[in-house]
Amino acid sequence: DVKVTQSSRYLVKRTGEKVFLECVQDMDHENMFWYRQDPGLGLRLIYFSYDVKMKEKGDIPEGYSVSREKKERFSLILESASTNQTSMYLCASSYKELFFGEGSRLTVL
Amino acid sequence: QKEVEQNSGPLSVPEGAIASLNCTYSDRGSQSFFWYRQYSGKSPELIMFIYSNGDKEDGRFTAQLNKASQYVSLLIRDSQPSDSATYLCAVNMRFSGTYKYIFGTGTRLKVLA
Repeated sequence: DVKVTQSSRYLVKRTGEKVFLECVQDMDHENMFWYRQDPGLGLRLIYFSYDVKMKEKGDIPEGYSVSREKKERFSLILESASTNQTSMYLCASSYKELFFGEGSRLTVL
Repeated sequence: QKEVEQNSGPLSVPEGAIASLNCTYSDRGSQSFFWYRQYSGKSPELIMFIYSNGDKEDGRFTAQLNKASQYVSLLIRDSQPSDSATYLCAVNMRFSGTYKYIFGTGTRLKVLA
């Protein structure tokens, strides 16, 4: 079974803090993705990566950056968290089918 | 704008009935289609994928794809209360040389005991 592991299930941060969300997959997938999910807006793609050290902007990259130093690990960084970044963050990896981690619920106060 | 559309529901069906969930997509060149189930507070779980026109069956689930009409559907036979969840349709679409998975906003299904 594909395993996508996100480091934190629940986080509470203050406005202006730097936030790291880590994601690791164990299936040697080349493709990894970060989404956020908000009620009524569905899943929106933030960034994705098709290879180590490679990144592509998704639909809502503003306020976020990513890092892919190793094939199995894809990190999402919020340089200066804001309240409108309160959301559920979902990491996923794929070869053909997309598999999600358990999600990280971030609250920014 | 490349899109995936779903009726948000809720779709209510009695236990034991067939639930029919529909999805339309805008990109005629799309080749890969997926259905995910998401329980409240949980992450999406892949339940079906389909790449060719026609039907694909897996247990109580059947995915149907019609590329000419640009729709994909999911049938759930013998619906159970445990099937109550939000069902997300996803399409792998080509954007400027890369592929992205585009999701609909989901249909909430309620199976009434």
